[in-house]
Amino acid sequence: DIQLTQSPSFLSASVGDRVTITCRASQGISSDLAWYQQKPGKAPKVLISAASTLQSGASSRFSGSGSGTEFSLTISSLQPEDYATYHCQQLNSFPFTFGGGTKVEIK
Amino acid sequence: EEQLVESGGGLVQPGGSLRLSCAASGFTFSSYCMNWVRQAPGKGLEWVSYISNTLTSIHYADSVKGRFTISRDNARNSLYLQMNSLRAEDTAVYYCARRNCDDGPCSFDNWGQGTLVTVSS
Repeated sequence: DIQLTQSPSFLSASVGDRVTITCRASQGISSDLAWYQQKPGKAPKVLISAASTLQSGASSRFSGSGSGTEFSLTISSLQPEDYATYHCQQLNSFPFTFGGGTKVEIK
Repeated sequence: EEQLVESGGGLVQPGGSLRLSCAASGFTFSSYCMNWVRQAPGKGLEWVSYISNTLTSIHYADSVKGRFTISRDNARNSLYLQMNSLRAEDTAVYYCARRNCDDGPCSFDNWGQGTLVTVSS
């Protein structure tokens, strides 16, 4: 099975900060990676697919990059509504594993 | 509006069974592969199971293999998860999620609101 390791697991940043979350795969997954945002008590919402394709409805503050085993999600200028947990997921092969999640707190 | 609505969660004793349902509306359900994903309290997301739109491909996480069965009824626009031999570690919010590869890149682009399953005596 492909393992995804997200880092950090928690971060605290100020409004306006540039924030980067990384996701490392235990083996190459090409660009078959998605990023999700989840707010407390709500279902996840997809932000990015294919490592770098911004989904319709997602803010342009979000961008993704990477391929193979190293991926990142960047929030260009953190806003209060970005307080959430972010999850990466590989869709390269079964099982469709998720990373452990990164909780973003606004300072 | 494209929507997924889960039902069937509740409290069940260890060793018991439960059947979850997911009702789809607002899109052509029979065109999409579907998944179940769960989230234990305070924990991350765990993919549970997948079924293709034509029912020809089915996959399970090792943690549920042999105990859970995924199925769908395209005529009823419904997805199901039969859960047997439930354990305390199966306690979680269970989400149904649509896999969309329409534009090339795949993702789980539509999720239900989730249904809570609690396994406890």
